[in-house]
Amino acid sequence: DVKVTQSSRYLVKRTGEKVFLECVQDMDHENMFWYRQDPGLGLRLIYFSYDVKMKEKGDIPEGYSVSREKKERFSLILESASTNQTSMYLCASSFPADSGNTIYFGEGSWLTVV
Amino acid sequence: GQNIDQPTEMTATEGAIVQINCTYQTSGFNGLFWYQQHAGEAPTFLSYNVLDGLEEKGRFSSFLSRSKGYSYLLLKELQMKDSASYLCAVIDSNYQLIWGAGTKLIIKP
Repeated sequence: DVKVTQSSRYLVKRTGEKVFLECVQDMDHENMFWYRQDPGLGLRLIYFSYDVKMKEKGDIPEGYSVSREKKERFSLILESASTNQTSMYLCASSFPADSGNTIYFGEGSWLTVV
Repeated sequence: GQNIDQPTEMTATEGAIVQINCTYQTSGFNGLFWYQQHAGEAPTFLSYNVLDGLEEKGRFSSFLSRSKGYSYLLLKELQMKDSASYLCAVIDSNYQLIWGAGTKLIIKP
């Protein structure tokens, strides 16, 4: 079965802390994504990656960075967490989109910054 | 800019039929997805349309009209477990996924 695994389901961090959210997929997908989801705003793309060591900014990259050292792993980093980064973070992966390949999501990570 | 519109919330009765609409204005079109998301869970794939017409899959059907920039998801014989948010997403000309904000569907007995 297809699996996208996010390392932490619920986290509480203090303002200014560095936060790592890890995501691993076991489907040999080229594409990996990090989204945040807030009520009424839908899914907003933070960063995505089409290949190892490759990253592209999404719609809201400010305050975030990413790392993709291995094909199966895509990490989201909050260098200095702020309260406006309290949200649900979703990792996803897929084969290239040009054939309508389904995007698969992890379970989500609920981050609260206090 | 790119935009996808869906109703914010809909209510329907168990056993009935409901249609959730999605209109889009995007730079190009390479397909449209519908996803279901239960509260606190990840979105899961429901359907994919790239050609005009109706795709039927059990109790769920999805329709696409590319000329009108319009799709709908039709849910028949509604069950309580269908209470969820339904997300519409379009693949644009750059093969980027553009997401709607989702429609929260409430099913009443």
